[in-house]
Amino acid sequence: DGGITQSPKYLFRKEGQNVTLSCEQNLNHDAMYWYRQDPGQGLRLIYYSQIVNDFQKGDIAEGYSVSREKKESFPLTVTSAQKNPTAFYLCASSIQANSNQPQHFGDGTRLSIL
Amino acid sequence: AQSVTQPDIHITVSEGASLELRCNYSYGATPYLFWYVQSPGQGLQLLLKYFSGDTLVQGIKGFEAEFKRSQSSFNLRKPSVHWSDAAEYFCAVGGGSNYKLTFGKGTLLTVNP
Repeated sequence: DGGITQSPKYLFRKEGQNVTLSCEQNLNHDAMYWYRQDPGQGLRLIYYSQIVNDFQKGDIAEGYSVSREKKESFPLTVTSAQKNPTAFYLCASSIQANSNQPQHFGDGTRLSIL
Repeated sequence: AQSVTQPDIHITVSEGASLELRCNYSYGATPYLFWYVQSPGQGLQLLLKYFSGDTLVQGIKGFEAEFKRSQSSFNLRKPSVHWSDAAEYFCAVGGGSNYKLTFGKGTLLTVNP
């Protein structure tokens, strides 16, 4: 079955540490997205990528970095500059980066601070 | 700028009762509108979408939504709620050639037996 796989499901970060969240899709979608979800806040866009080797900042990109070296992969690094990283992170994809295309979501990674 | 308001943070209904979740949007032209559902610890699943045409759209799991341009609303309805419908529901808006979907803050649905 086609879908989006996020790993790990739970992740713990120590002070000063960078951590990388994995997102892989086999839907052959061009566009991929990273969202952060906090209780009562809905989803906020961190980064998005329209195509391989291209990505753009979303609304809350500070303290995060991404890469898009392969069509199926869009990893997110939470750097030590992100002072409040505890949240639920969701990866999504769509056929194209156009808001008339429904986004398909992975099952998320929950990041906590040790 | 586009925005979405879901006025109800938490709604409780009894199993078998009808349900309506409210969504109000702000967008300067014809919007693209979506409803998603999220079970605890899971990702979001698309329930239904509206782009154009018939203002009453049918989705999965027996849900429907009605687009009312005059009220800038896209409310989600279900005639008879099942215990398995307990989840958080998100409305989202986009439009034009804009890549961006803007999500509401969600409505948590509790279903009493």
